[in-house]
Amino acid sequence: DADVTQTPRNRITKTGKRIMLECSQTKGHDRMYWYRQDPGLGLRLIYYSFDVKDINKGEISDGYSVSRQAQAKFSLSLESAIPNQTALYFCATSEPGHRQETQYFGPGTRLLVL
Amino acid sequence: QQQVKQSPQSLIVQKGGISIINCAYENTAFDYFPWYQQFPGKGPALLIAIRPDVSEKKEGRFTISFNKSAKQFSLHIMDSQPGDSATYFCAAFSSGNTPLVFGKGTRLSVIA
Repeated sequence: DADVTQTPRNRITKTGKRIMLECSQTKGHDRMYWYRQDPGLGLRLIYYSFDVKDINKGEISDGYSVSRQAQAKFSLSLESAIPNQTALYFCATSEPGHRQETQYFGPGTRLLVL
Repeated sequence: QQQVKQSPQSLIVQKGGISIINCAYENTAFDYFPWYQQFPGKGPALLIAIRPDVSEKKEGRFTISFNKSAKQFSLHIMDSQPGDSATYFCAAFSSGNTPLVFGKGTRLSVIA
């Protein structure tokens, strides 16, 4: 079974709709992240959470919100989807060690906003 | 402000050739530099990493070269194979409560 799962894997929605992308992990990590990937722009951090009670904005949080329901679950919401939010979205987890950190990514959710 | 600058954006290499991807950083607090590999339809995954106290790290055909004074590091893929075709991201990490910082990625195509 995959350690980091994302649902749905693909989603088509219309402008103005509210949608939620979900991420679950079985790695037991405290830290979780949401990124979006666009061609030529790399991975851009949307939100991150270092534990259940901690939520931080990333580079591009406008238009997005998150909820950390439990250590294992971190959801990303688009309150009112717009076409330029069409992208590939990744969830990741990590557990920092001494002077290092490895992030483990989910398989991604491909979102199309019409 | 882009904290880690990666180049080139795309790269085409002949099978058996050497692929070289470069990254530069400004923040001297960074003390761990990983590279991630992403195949189409998959999430990125850690490939190899280096700390600034060594100048080179090699794992199989993959080598990181690190130049602390220039604040630059690079990934070399020797004997590049079509199966190496992927997007590569460099990243930098500073111990503490800040996330990894990723470069914008390099799309590598290895052609036969």
